[in-house]
Amino acid sequence: NAGVTQTPKFQVLKTGQSMTLQCAQDMNHNSMYWYRQDPGMGLRLIYYSASEGTTDKGEVPNGYNVSRLNKREFSLRLESAAPSQTSVYFCASSEVGTILLGEQFFGPGTRLTVL
Amino acid sequence: AQSVTQLDSQVPVFEEAPVELRCNYSSSVSVYLFWYVQYPNQGLQLLLKYLSGSTLVESINGFEAEFNKSQTSFHLRKPSVHISDTAEYFCAVRDGSGAGSYQLTFGKGTKLSVIP
Repeated sequence: NAGVTQTPKFQVLKTGQSMTLQCAQDMNHNSMYWYRQDPGMGLRLIYYSASEGTTDKGEVPNGYNVSRLNKREFSLRLESAAPSQTSVYFCASSEVGTILLGEQFFGPGTRLTVL
Repeated sequence: AQSVTQLDSQVPVFEEAPVELRCNYSSSVSVYLFWYVQYPNQGLQLLLKYLSGSTLVESINGFEAEFNKSQTSFHLRKPSVHISDTAEYFCAVRDGSGAGSYQLTFGKGTKLSVIP
């Protein structure tokens, strides 16, 4: 099993450009998440999808959109990138149940720089 | 909403010395608690978790954490650190009340630097 995979690993954008970060998991998890990590800020939740067909805003959703394409895939889109969106983006997945109780599994991250 | 405080942003420690990384969370009726580790240029990996039962939980590489409900703490300890423990450590909490929230709330992280 590959676990959680993310593409691309690195990306440089100019202000105003758009792009989509891709995430896929092969653990048959229902829930998926997008976080951003900034120095000294920890991880902040951007959006999450509790199950296929649903998405909800997290702590810092402004400037982002998401699509839960199917149970495996959850993409994050920046419509008009801004320098403040320079960050490392992590995708995660989890299964809520009596065994795992919300443990989240993380992808390797995408390092995004907006010039 | 839950909040998590990691009291130290950076902790330098000599190799083979003990270490404690502190974590406090906001009070709740029931919580699930996690410690994640992030090695340089990698994603987060689960180190250990408290769900229920014994308040002392251990990881396979010698870390342990104790859930203290009265002090709302979940400090991480290791009696003797190794160079390979150099990483950033994140404490996280999930509301265990069964209200349906799947979200984890993370602390801001503690960078552990092990000095040879």
